[in-house]
Amino acid sequence: ETGVTQTPRHLVMGMTNKKSLKCEQHLGHNAMYWYKQSAKKPLELMFVYNFKEQTENNSVPSRFSPECPNSSHLFLHLHTLQPEDSALYLCASSQAVGNSGANVLTFGAGSRLTVL
Amino acid sequence: QQQVKQSPQSLIVQKGGISIINCAYENTAFDYFPWYQQFPGKGPALLIAIRPDVSEKKEGRFTISFNKSAKQFSLHIMDSQPGDSATYFCAARRGSARQLTFGSGTQLTVLP
Repeated sequence: ETGVTQTPRHLVMGMTNKKSLKCEQHLGHNAMYWYKQSAKKPLELMFVYNFKEQTENNSVPSRFSPECPNSSHLFLHLHTLQPEDSALYLCASSQAVGNSGANVLTFGAGSRLTVL
Repeated sequence: QQQVKQSPQSLIVQKGGISIINCAYENTAFDYFPWYQQFPGKGPALLIAIRPDVSEKKEGRFTISFNKSAKQFSLHIMDSQPGDSATYFCAARRGSARQLTFGSGTQLTVLP
């Protein structure tokens, strides 16, 4: 596989469930990102990992918990979510932050999350 | 100061027409301005980008016009085609920043 792959593509969960979103990139990139996409709003950066180290947390509620075990994999663990958390969650990767190639993000197709 | 304001929210153009999407920013430290294109069911993909040392960049039917003094930049799609129907996001980045600041997106529909 090539590019950035996200699973699952669709997820429906109750407010008390615990679930995880997975992202995998086969581009040899060293930076990975989680974005939230809501209708008619700018893409919201949630987390940035550079060489497996978290370098950015944009005031994201603790019910979202990221994990980056290596430069190719990124997870977003979800627990006790609220209905307003329903959105498309996009994973992206790039060359390492600080490298000029970090300007170019490659996005996955996203995981559509619905919280009931 | 970190916002990028994008307009219009939606745009309908006839096939063969010119599509124009505008973005404005406040932070003069931004030094890289990309446009991303997103088709339904897909993630955004880089379309074209410009740095503020040039006023225009053209790639095929897509052109970015950049006005540094007005702090505005725009995407022009010449000879628009139905296959161009997608959501377009402008963005901006400071050299030292770890993140892109995105606009709110424009849904373009090109009628056949």
